[in-house]
Amino acid sequence: KAGVTQTPRYLIKTRGQQVTLSCSPISGHRSVSWYQQTPGQGLQFLFEYFSETQRNKGNFPGRFSGRQFSNSRSEMNVSTLELGDSALYLCASRQTLNTEAFFGQGTRLTVV
Amino acid sequence: GNSVTQMEGPVTLSEEAFLTINCTYTATGYPSLFWYVQYPGEGLQLLLKATKADDKGSNKGFEATYRKETTSFHLEKGSVQVSDSAVYFCALRGSSASKIIFGSGTRLSIRP
Repeated sequence: KAGVTQTPRYLIKTRGQQVTLSCSPISGHRSVSWYQQTPGQGLQFLFEYFSETQRNKGNFPGRFSGRQFSNSRSEMNVSTLELGDSALYLCASRQTLNTEAFFGQGTRLTVV
Repeated sequence: GNSVTQMEGPVTLSEEAFLTINCTYTATGYPSLFWYVQYPGEGLQLLLKATKADDKGSNKGFEATYRKETTSFHLEKGSVQVSDSAVYFCALRGSSASKIIFGSGTRLSIRP
């Protein structure tokens, strides 16, 4: 069974631009969560989608948004990028909201 | 709200030493508890889990016991190897359908 797939693996963007990251969950998993990982802040929860509906949301500004499609694939969008948005963005999928999460390898975003 | 506190790193040990990484939690009800491991350049991998009090999760020589009386889930391994060098995250899922919350991570380095 294929794992969680995140694309792209690496991305360099300029301040003020926007970016879209993609996550394909494990087949049969209906939940996708997004996390931001930085050396200073650790792992911070962004949001979680289940069956195309946002179920949980972290404390991030409205520049961070996401969506989930009917095939459970998810995208995360960050608009008006700031230098502080440079991070590893991790996606995780769960079969249901009561099971453990499986992570992708992440997308390393660098904002210059 | 729910939270996870784990011991600060980095932790440096010699090969074959005994490992303990402390993790305590705050949660209402009966959370599920997890340990994840992150190798350099990778996403997080589920190492072990426990879903009710007194459960012992184990995998690859690592163990952790869900202690409700002390609200702890300490990770142990009897004899560490160089290949165990990684960052270890303690995590919990609170009530049904809630998000997974992570501790700050503990970096472990094993000397040959």
